[in-house]
Amino acid sequence: NAGVTQTPKFQVLKTGQSMTLQCAQDMNHEYMSWYRQDPGMGLRLIHYSVGAGITDQGEVPNGYNVSRSTTEDFPLRLLSAAPSQTSVYFCASSYSRQVSGNTIYFGEGSWLTVV
Amino acid sequence: SQQGEEDPQALSIQEGENATMNCSYKTSINNLQWYRQNSGRGLVHLILIRSNEREKHSGRLRVTLDTSKKSSSLLITASRAADTASYFCATDGIGGFKTIFGAGTRLFVKA
Repeated sequence: NAGVTQTPKFQVLKTGQSMTLQCAQDMNHEYMSWYRQDPGMGLRLIHYSVGAGITDQGEVPNGYNVSRSTTEDFPLRLLSAAPSQTSVYFCASSYSRQVSGNTIYFGEGSWLTVV
Repeated sequence: SQQGEEDPQALSIQEGENATMNCSYKTSINNLQWYRQNSGRGLVHLILIRSNEREKHSGRLRVTLDTSKKSSSLLITASRAADTASYFCATDGIGGFKTIFGAGTRLFVKA
């Protein structure tokens, strides 16, 4: 079982560059989301999607774009990277679009450094 | 803004001892979940407790929920070195479309 797959695992960007973090799940989950994890801050929700063609903002959406053209894929785009976006990024999915009370499955994380 | 806050931030115990972690939250919830994160890995779901439940068990895990105090605790009994990880509580966001995580408790179990 692949579950939630994120690529790349590690990435170094220069300030101002753009990039896309890829995320795919093979569990036919309706709900997908992106979190960032910073020391002492826990996980903060960036964007989420409750189905193909539907996305919405989380707690910290600025500087990030998402799209959900298929059920399986949910890429996260950094438009113009800033050092403040240095973080570990996690993609996650859940069976039901109503994520409350449902198990969330996480990818292994993508370590991003912006210099 | 974080909904759940774990306490303590870090905990170091000997193998065989029990570990207790606490989570406090700010607004009413329908569900509360606990997750575990090994170093350098993604989070893994441990247990869910609903607002109408007071206690739940799963193997060596025991979770309690006190909705009047807006708090939950996770007890790991007879801890093992392999339990070394960070533990997070997660609560509902508004509308049920978001899950909000606390900052976590780092548990270190010494062999």
